[in-house]
Amino acid sequence: EVQLVESGGGLVQPGRSLRLSCAASGFTFDDYAMHWVRQAPGKGLEWVSGISWNSGSIGYADSVKGRFTISRDNAKNSLYLQMNSLRAEDTALYYCAKDKGSIAAGGWFDPWGQGTLVTVSS
Amino acid sequence: SYVLTQPPSVSVAPGQTARITCGGNNIGSKSVHWYQQKPGQAPVLVVYDDSDRPSGIPERFSGSNSGNTATLTISRVEAGDEADYYCQVWDSSSDHYVFGTGTKVTVL
Repeated sequence: EVQLVESGGGLVQPGRSLRLSCAASGFTFDDYAMHWVRQAPGKGLEWVSGISWNSGSIGYADSVKGRFTISRDNAKNSLYLQMNSLRAEDTALYYCAKDKGSIAAGGWFDPWGQGTLVTVSS
Repeated sequence: SYVLTQPPSVSVAPGQTARITCGGNNIGSKSVHWYQQKPGQAPVLVVYDDSDRPSGIPERFSGSNSGNTATLTISRVEAGDEADYYCQVWDSSSDHYVFGTGTKVTVL
């Protein structure tokens, strides 16, 4: 069974940093691209970032470009999101999701983890 | 940037058919995927590539896509189908994934 388990969320002050992790199991991690998708409280879904199987192709939403960095460690079956210069509008539940293929260019997300909550507030 | 527009809400009686639209400029030229999100849960893929169903998803869920509108159809609606539904595409002009605004389906 494919499992994605996010961690690292919490309460952080504006301007500070946070690093999210996603532990993957139940599939060959380095065969697939991976993504972060977020959902602000009571709002819709927003794609944040995606990374190809070998980290050779990376993409970011305009709202986080230059502040967030996605990475992966295939040896550890793990996905990461380094979030710097956090803002109140970054407050959201952050989901890790598996891509349908190896490149992060097109396709769908399946499955999703249960998410980790990031709250940016002073 | 590419925009996907969904109706905020759809109400349907049990046993009837719910149709959820997803509007976008020439969306028929893109592949559309649909997710179901129940309260307090992560989204679940229910239709991919316009009209294909992942294993384990009932045949009651179907999709179509043409022109400027994609549609998710839920036949013989059950109480358990009450959820938020999101459409999603890949916008190759911006290299971004785009989600629709979401539709809350209420079973009367």
